[in-house]
Amino acid sequence: EADIYQTPRYLVIGTGKKITLECSQTMGHDKMYWYQQDPGMELHLIHYSYGVNSTEKGDLSSESTVSRIRTEHFPLTLESARPSHTSQYLCASSEGLTGATDTQYFGPGTRLTVL
Amino acid sequence: QKEVEQNSGPLSVPEGAIASLNCTYSDRVSQSFFWYRQYSGKSPELIMSIYSNGDKEDGRFTAQLNKASQYVSLLIRDSQPSDSATYLCAVPNQAGTALIFGKGTTLSVSS
Repeated sequence: EADIYQTPRYLVIGTGKKITLECSQTMGHDKMYWYQQDPGMELHLIHYSYGVNSTEKGDLSSESTVSRIRTEHFPLTLESARPSHTSQYLCASSEGLTGATDTQYFGPGTRLTVL
Repeated sequence: QKEVEQNSGPLSVPEGAIASLNCTYSDRVSQSFFWYRQYSGKSPELIMSIYSNGDKEDGRFTAQLNKASQYVSLLIRDSQPSDSATYLCAVPNQAGTALIFGKGTTLSVSS
């Protein structure tokens, strides 16, 4: 069973607010990911990290930023939320032993609504 | 950019039937393939991974890979209403840094 946690699970916030979505895993995984998923649509990678102090942008351009100061923690920040940021944000992690081919475990997700 | 194509469905099957889900991908060099299940409003969970041509069985699930034809399928035997979900096919991206997911096929199993 995957031990990866996301908070908050649901967030409704006004335009212009700064928000941070938290993601933590207790499995000691080196690799962590953030995906964005709109209803009925595919997951899109927005950020990933290979380890502490390593962060990269994903395939989908995003106005969010991430940090990886500790192995277990990979928060995502939006400096100024807009309605276009309304979506589900999914965090995932993997061992990182074999590149991208190892199994990714997903957190429960954060459903963000920006009014 | 790699592409992963799936029929969005919905695919409807009666309880006890075999459900067949298909996925095609555009990159010939892909070496690993994943099937995830996602219940409505939930996050994806891994069903199976497959790396070699042929079949891989795990309980009621069988993944089939044909690299020459660039497709991977998932068979669900003895389908149950609890199998009703969206099934996502995923392959590594070109950089090998993460997975590219298809839009998913929605399966509905009626009792």
